[in-house]
Amino acid sequence: GEDVEQSLFLSVREGDSSVINCTYTDSSSTYLYWYKQEPGAGLQLLTYIFSNMDMKQDQRLTVLLNKKDKHLSLRIADTQTGDSAIYFCAESIRDDKIIFGKGTRLHILP
Amino acid sequence: KAGVTQTPRYLIKTRGQQVTLSCSPISGHRSVSWYQQTPGQGLQFLFEYFSETQRNKGNFPGRFSGRQFSNSRSEMNVSTLELGDSALYLCASKRGSNTDTQYFGPGTRLTVL
Repeated sequence: GEDVEQSLFLSVREGDSSVINCTYTDSSSTYLYWYKQEPGAGLQLLTYIFSNMDMKQDQRLTVLLNKKDKHLSLRIADTQTGDSAIYFCAESIRDDKIIFGKGTRLHILP
Repeated sequence: KAGVTQTPRYLIKTRGQQVTLSCSPISGHRSVSWYQQTPGQGLQFLFEYFSETQRNKGNFPGRFSGRQFSNSRSEMNVSTLELGDSALYLCASKRGSNTDTQYFGPGTRLTVL
């Protein structure tokens, strides 16, 4: 079946790195995405990675993909208070469907 | 370039009523998808429209329906509202192909009393 799993909560101290993990089940994924949702807002696309890539870096964001283990991670370097949000992992599969995880709430400690 | 817009932003209805939500995609985008977001179920896919045709459908009852107009604007309708329909309804648009990036609107918060 199609499923995307991620932990529900993560607490990180300001200035440290945050690592949010995600696992998926469908091996036919073409793209994998990370979205950010701030309170009262819709989803904002942060970054994405094509399924034939292992890593993608974009400023403070690093995405790592392990296709063998169907594991995706998002690393946020030098975490700031503005990074406090819910982060959704999502995969694009056959028939143009996108499956989302339930989101990881990132809490920043002072 | 303007982003995806959704109206209204907030809506309060009572059980048994029906509701219509509207979504205007980014200019040039022909695909519009709708999602329901609740704390318990997370984000669930409702349906996708492309060039006025429903291209994909999630596992929701027939009370949930949608349509797309020739200008790519889309509406979603929910009839005979139930308490469990209270949710944030998100619309997302993209150019059209599977490899295109999807952009989300701010959502419509529906409360059913």
